[in-house]
Amino acid sequence: KQEVTQIPAALSVPEGENLVLNCSFTDSAIYNLQWFRQDPGKGLTSLLLIQSSQREQTSGRLNASLDKSSGRSTLYIAASQPGDSATYLCAADNYGQNFVFGPGTRLSVLP
Amino acid sequence: DGGITQSPKYLFRKEGQNVTLSCEQNLNHDAMYWYRQDPGQGLRLIYYSQIVNDFQKGDIAEGYSVSREKKESFPLTVTSAQKNPTAFYLCASSWTGESSYEQYFGPGTRLTVT
Repeated sequence: KQEVTQIPAALSVPEGENLVLNCSFTDSAIYNLQWFRQDPGKGLTSLLLIQSSQREQTSGRLNASLDKSSGRSTLYIAASQPGDSATYLCAADNYGQNFVFGPGTRLSVLP
Repeated sequence: DGGITQSPKYLFRKEGQNVTLSCEQNLNHDAMYWYRQDPGQGLRLIYYSQIVNDFQKGDIAEGYSVSREKKESFPLTVTSAQKNPTAFYLCASSWTGESSYEQYFGPGTRLTVT
């Protein structure tokens, strides 16, 4: 059964710093991996979707990579801003069925 | 605007009562999903449906029921059999196919049962 973990559980950085969030999954036979952002009390906003045939995806200051063989994905945020403060979740999609979510990394960017 | 709506945003119920949460999408997505989120935990799948009039149990289906009579609607009923129903409930939808696609989420419903 797929299990997804995220490290660190929480992260606090000063504004302007580049940072990396980590996501690990136990079953490498995934179709897709998706990164989300969640603000307190809100639904999830999709950030990036990496299909199994891709190695990375970029959107603005965000870059997500995928290494299926090692069971890892990273989300790189460049030049962080206070508005980036939120919880970031990754989710692995197995066999085209359903996503398994990690517990999230709570990010605080201090002005 | 295309998207997913959930209502109500906050819901309060007495223990022993059934309650139905609404989820509607106008994205023309085939698949719809219900998740439960508890503090400090990731999302857990309750039920999903990939086509009208068909749905499958997720990891934590006990105490919940769903219906999918229309493509755009996927209501979730939290029954009195659910032992710990207080949580944040999220509905999502996506395309289906040989390669699955992005999941899009609604704003969520926070249910409190006392």
